[in-house]
Amino acid sequence: AQSVSQHNHHVILSEAASLELGCNYSYGGTVNLFWYVQYPGQHLQLLLKYFSGDPLVKGIKGFEAEFIKSKFSFNLRKPSVQWSDTAEYFCAVMSGGSYIPTFGRGTSLIVHP
Amino acid sequence: DTGVSQDPRHKITKRGQNVTFRCDPISEHNRLYWYRQTLGQGPEFLTYFQNEAQLEKSRLLSDRFSAERPKGSFSTLEIQRTEQGDSAMYLCASSSHIGYEQYFGPGTRLTVT
Repeated sequence: AQSVSQHNHHVILSEAASLELGCNYSYGGTVNLFWYVQYPGQHLQLLLKYFSGDPLVKGIKGFEAEFIKSKFSFNLRKPSVQWSDTAEYFCAVMSGGSYIPTFGRGTSLIVHP
Repeated sequence: DTGVSQDPRHKITKRGQNVTFRCDPISEHNRLYWYRQTLGQGPEFLTYFQNEAQLEKSRLLSDRFSAERPKGSFSTLEIQRTEQGDSAMYLCASSSHIGYEQYFGPGTRLTVT
């Protein structure tokens, strides 16, 4: 069965610090990759996605993620975080041909002003 | 608001009782998903519909769980003879036939006492 690992369960940063959240998956074939975000009191929403093409994808609010096939990774980055980035971040992987994603357990990010 | 809606938002029930949750997806979306999420974990897949057809069920879904989407629009998830271990957030999501990304509802938080 496919699995998704998010290594950082809790991250605490100060504003303007750089962010990188790790995501690794186990499936060796074609994949569709996602990062979802859940702000306090809100529902899950899509941050960015990768289907094909340029492995560096840009999402909303200055986030980006890089797909490295050889490392089975899809890490999320932001050069300078803001207090409003405080949220839960979930990586999700969908193997090629499937419409069912597998989610990681999430990373809780707290940004201090 | 034309997003995914779920009802009720909160449900407290006694062990052994039956509960039913409703999900209204985005109107033009043909795929509908149910997930369960517990504290500190990512969404866990339960079942998935394409139009009115239930195409896949998780092996984790016991016989006490049943879901329907009778007209390919809204869906219901019923849990019979609830157990304390069923306490969780139940999430619904929908997606269109041309995309893989999912749009989530606010969830129904179930507490079994």
